[in-house]
Amino acid sequence: QKEVEQDPGPLSVPEGAIVSLNCTYSNSAFQYFMWYRQYSRKGPELLMYTYSSGNKEDGRFTAQVDKSSKYISLFIRDSQPSDSATYLCAMSEDGNNRLAFGKGNQVVVIP
Amino acid sequence: EAGVTQFPSHSVIEKGQTVTLRCDPISGHDNLYWYRRVMGKEIKFLLHFVKESKQDESGMPNNRFLAERTGGTYSTLKVQPAELEDSGVYFCASSQDWLAFFGQGTRLTVV
Repeated sequence: QKEVEQDPGPLSVPEGAIVSLNCTYSNSAFQYFMWYRQYSRKGPELLMYTYSSGNKEDGRFTAQVDKSSKYISLFIRDSQPSDSATYLCAMSEDGNNRLAFGKGNQVVVIP
Repeated sequence: EAGVTQFPSHSVIEKGQTVTLRCDPISGHDNLYWYRRVMGKEIKFLLHFVKESKQDESGMPNNRFLAERTGGTYSTLKVQPAELEDSGVYFCASSQDWLAFFGQGTRLTVV
């Protein structure tokens, strides 16, 4: 069983729609949860981060963590064409050790 | 402030040759990580330095891979001899606490 599952299917949405992405994980020791955004031919860029369970909002982005279900989500409101990128979930047990990544979702926002 | 910098951005080598990748972390970051993404797979952890010491090298595929971090500053990852399956994108990341920032990656192609 993979540590982190992220359905890698591409997602196309019209501009202004809500984008919903999620990951599940099997390691109950994960406590640090991150979402990275990666544009083509670039490195992953840290987008959102949370510690333990709960919600975090930053502008149009909301990250949710449900540790009881081992499920994390990222929501993008009022999506823009500039949001078109691959979104990767990542998590770790301890703040300073290795990150386990999902495969990533390619999101295309159509003008 | 400069981000994480990786050199080269792209390398094409023949099977059996040696390649050395370099990573310059964000100044002041004690933690330096190497990750790799092979086609169709998720980004996977290779190893973790704290300053000049290897904290965790559990993700290194085999002894053809050698990582060093001179004086706790920049790091190199040498592959010798390279095999076809070593092709992929190699990412370096650095952190001071638990937020890891990634470089743009080195795309390695072994032919």
